[in-house]
Amino acid sequence: DVKVTQSSRYLVKRTGEKVFLECVQDMDHENMFWYRQDPGLGLRLIYFSYDVKMKEKGDIPEGYSVSREKKERFSLILESASTNQTSMYLCASSLKGGSARAFFGQGTRLTVV
Amino acid sequence: QKEVEQDPGPLSVPEGAIVSLNCTYSNSAFQYFMWYRQYSRKGPELLMYTYSSGNKEDGRFTAQVDKSSKYISLFIRDSQPSDSATYLCAMKPQGAQKLVFGQGTRLTINP
Repeated sequence: DVKVTQSSRYLVKRTGEKVFLECVQDMDHENMFWYRQDPGLGLRLIYFSYDVKMKEKGDIPEGYSVSREKKERFSLILESASTNQTSMYLCASSLKGGSARAFFGQGTRLTVV
Repeated sequence: QKEVEQDPGPLSVPEGAIVSLNCTYSNSAFQYFMWYRQYSRKGPELLMYTYSSGNKEDGRFTAQVDKSSKYISLFIRDSQPSDSATYLCAMKPQGAQKLVFGQGTRLTINP
């Protein structure tokens, strides 16, 4: 089975802090994704990576950056955390092409105070 | 108009009932259709996957795709309290790498 692991289940950070969310997958998937999920808004794509060092902006990239130095690892960075970035963050991975079924991590609940 | 529309609910049904969850979409290029189940405070897990039109059955779950109507459904037979979760539909065109998600329907099965 595919395993996507996010480094933290719960995080509490202060406004203005730089925050790193880490995601690792063990199935050699080319694609990796970061989403945030908020009540009433569903899943929104922040960034997408289709290869090492390659990235593409999603629907809501403002205030975020990403890093993919190794195929199995995809990091989401909040440069200066703000309270409106309090959310559930979900990482996913998929193979390139065809079915591209996405497999998700367990999520990180981030609270910015 | 969103590409994928899904009634957010909430939907509450008694144990043992047949549940029908639905999504409509506007992009006729969508070819791959998925249903995810998400328990509270957890990540979504892939429940059903269908390519193009037709039905797919897995135990108590049946996924149905009607491309002519741009409508997909997930049926749950003999529903159980453990089926209480949010169900998200997702779909994508051939060759695309990103899924388009519905908003999710929150389902509660009452004992």
